[in-house]
Amino acid sequence: QKEVEQNSGPLSVPEGAIASLNCTYSDRGSQSFFWYRQYSGKSPELIMFIYSNGDKEDGRFTAQLNKASQYVSLLIRDSQPSDSATYLCAVRMNRDDKIIFGKGTRLHILP
Amino acid sequence: NAGVTQTPKFRILKIGQSMTLQCTQDMNHNYMYWYRQDPGMGLKLIYYSVGAGITDKGEVPNGYNVSRSTTEDFPLRLELAAPSQTSVYFCASNGRGLNTEAFFGQGTRLTVV
Repeated sequence: QKEVEQNSGPLSVPEGAIASLNCTYSDRGSQSFFWYRQYSGKSPELIMFIYSNGDKEDGRFTAQLNKASQYVSLLIRDSQPSDSATYLCAVRMNRDDKIIFGKGTRLHILP
Repeated sequence: NAGVTQTPKFRILKIGQSMTLQCTQDMNHNYMYWYRQDPGMGLKLIYYSVGAGITDKGEVPNGYNVSRSTTEDFPLRLELAAPSQTSVYFCASNGRGLNTEAFFGQGTRLTVV
């Protein structure tokens, strides 16, 4: 099992709808989880981090964490064409401070 | 605060040439990473370092070498460049602590012809 897994997509969502991006991880003791957005040809940039079970909201973005299921998700409400990008899930390992990235999910917002 | 600085931004190499991609961070981070990203694909870890003097292989280390003589610098060396090494290279770093994220450099676009 890969340490951090994401569906590669592409995930197509109509403008104004909710986009739901999912990520699973293998290290049960992991404590910190991050979502990055990467536009084509650019560096990944941090959107949100979460380390407590439950939801964390920031504007149109909500991160959800379920440690028992080893599952983290990102919801994007009122999706805009500018949200079209690749979204990377990242997990800080429990055994050290190494951060592992998933391969990313490509999101297309359809006008 | 400069963050993570990569040089050069662009480079064209001929097959068989060698070069060093530079990466410097000014955040006193212990972890540093080199990734490559091919068009339409995810990040692939080449090498990483947990601190000065300590490096380890990632998933695609062949054809590359690294060193970490200081906390700040983590250069990536390409020996005998091949067309398969045409890619965008990203350097990243992170520090200790639950909510400290990884920071990325702006990337180096390398073409081997």
